[in-house]
Amino acid sequence: DVQMTQSPSSLSASVGDRVTITCQASQDIGISLNWYQQKPGRAPRLLIYDVSYLESGVTSRFSGSASGTHFTFAISNLQPEDVATYYCQQYDDFAFTFGPGTKVDIK
Amino acid sequence: EAQVVQSGTEVKKPGESLKISCKVSSSSTTYRWIAWVRQMPGKGLEWMGIIFSGDSDTRYSPSFQGHVTLSVDKSTKTAHLQWRSLKASDTAMYYCAHSTKQGAFDYWDEGTLVTVSP
Repeated sequence: DVQMTQSPSSLSASVGDRVTITCQASQDIGISLNWYQQKPGRAPRLLIYDVSYLESGVTSRFSGSASGTHFTFAISNLQPEDVATYYCQQYDDFAFTFGPGTKVDIK
Repeated sequence: EAQVVQSGTEVKKPGESLKISCKVSSSSTTYRWIAWVRQMPGKGLEWMGIIFSGDSDTRYSPSFQGHVTLSVDKSTKTAHLQWRSLKASDTAMYYCAHSTKQGAFDYWDEGTLVTVSP
């Protein structure tokens, strides 16, 4: 099974900052990597699919990239409404794994 | 565009059975994959399994294989998640997610809270 390590587990940044979250896959998963946002008490929301494609209606302040098995999610110009937990998720031949999540807060 | 609607909160006792549902409404007649995701209190997301609404092709996470059963009513595009004998450790929020993009879950409802307590 593919394992996903995600870091940091939490971060606190100021409004307007750029923040990055990384996920490392235990093996090659190609571009099969998605990012979700979950606000407290709410369902997860798909933000980015296949490494870097922005889901419809999602702000362009969110972006994704990859280098081999290392994946990065970035939020530019951090806003109060971005306070949430962010998860990466991989899929490999109908096996899906979520990363442990990164909690993002405002200083 | 699709809409996902899950059944409501459940409170059960250990050993009881339970079946929760997830109805997908879509302007498209195309059958899609429907996934179930568990979130235990204060914890992260865990993929449980996925089922194709057209032919009931089902894949389970090894962590959940044998403990839950996925099924789907093709005519109503309603998926079900079923337990034969609940445990206290099954207390969690269960999300249903509809997939129109390969490998990504793009339509979610707000979840079904299941509480298992004596």
